Order: sequence, then structure tokens, then C-alpha cells
Amino acid sequence: ILNVEQSPQSLHVQEGDSTNFTCSFPSSNFYALHWYRWETAKSPEALFVMTLNGDEKKKGRISATLNTKEGYSYLYIKGSQPEDSATYLCAFERDSNYQLIWGAGTKLIIKP
Amino acid sequence: SAVISQKPSRDICQRGTSLTIQCQVDSQVTMMFWYRQQPGQSLTLIATANQGSEATYESGFVIDKFPISRPNLTFSTLTVSNMSPEDSSIYLCSVDAADGPETYGYTFGSGTRLTVV
Repeated sequence: ILNVEQSPQSLHVQEGDSTNFTCSFPSSNFYALHWYRWETAKSPEALFVMTLNGDEKKKGRISATLNTKEGYSYLYIKGSQPEDSATYLCAFERDSNYQLIWGAGTKLIIKP
Repeated sequence: SAVISQKPSRDICQRGTSLTIQCQVDSQVTMMFWYRQQPGQSLTLIATANQGSEATYESGFVIDKFPISRPNLTFSTLTVSNMSPEDSSIYLCSVDAADGPETYGYTFGSGTRLTVV
């Protein structure tokens, strides 16, 4: 059974603080790991697609790391802002067959 | 990347009825994907729709319950048939980015929030 786990399920962070959360995925038959941000009433938006072990990607205040050998990825947000409030989803892509296996998401709430 | 217009954005339906959800893409795409997210659950792939051929359904999903049309490379519909309260979910369509999902990920519609009463 292929399982993608995200933790924590939800997170309250004070504005200005930095935070991070985890995505765990199977370490076999890895092809890619995707991160998406899903704001309420909007479309999920792609943040990163990571394919190489040890890779680190950055987009403004958000960055992500990837460890394919142990099967985890971290998403970091530096200096959280209210507009960062969203559900962050990760998805594991296996064997380049376009099928994504999704985690249940981490719901991030930034407190002003 | 592609822009997807999905409608309706939400609906409340009586059990036993059917609802058809539409996705229009502003560019031609090879594959379109239909997902469901039940309350508190992960996104689950229902089926992959290719133009000119029957959709490929994932385990647990059947064509009689979720018929899909893909008449051309920019449009697809998903019908949720004979609805029951267990079908209450957010339904999303998705396409691969024009330059490859390995680089840019997948593009999603804004979702259809369905409540069956």
C-alpha cells in the first residue's frame, strides 16, 4: 500500500514566525515529489516539483528539501504572513506514470 | 501554464439525481485528470481522460457512476450519477503543464463543492 503522510495535520503560527512541516512518502520507485498550496475557494497551486535526492528549491520565503533515500520532504516558510494561510499538500509521483498519491495536507493558519 | 475554468463552483443536490461538472482549458492538453476530495481525506484520482478514447478509471471508481466525456483537447465533463450523501466532496479537474509536469506541476480547476442531501 502506497501511503503519503503529512504532519502536522494543522498548525497555528504567529505572524512573523518561521515554520516547517513534513511529507513522508515511499522510498521505492520514486519519480518526483510535488508540493502545492491550496487556499480556500481557489485552485491548488503548484509550488515545487522535486526529483533529485538532496535537492532544495526556493520560491520567495518558501523552500523545500528532499530526501528520497529515507522518504521525506520538508517545507519551510520563513517569516510567515497572513497570506500564507492555506492547506499545503504534497504528492508522490511514482515511476513517471502521471499518477500522484496525495497526502491529506497540513492546514496552516497564520495569526496576526 | 494553462488556465482552467471549472463549473459549477458549488451545488446542493438531491439524492438520486446527477450532476455534470465541466472543465474548459484555455489551451490544448493531452491528459485531463478528475479528482475527488472527501471531507478530511486526501485528493483521490477518479479517472484520467484522454481525447478520443475511453477514460481510465482508478480502482473503486466505475464508468456507470462517474461517466466522463472528452470531446476535444480543451474540454471535459465528469458526471456524478445517482448521487448519495457519500458523494458529497470537492471535485477537481487537472491538466499537466504545457512544458511538462516534472518542471511546473499540474494545473487545477477551482473545484466544485458538491453537497448531496
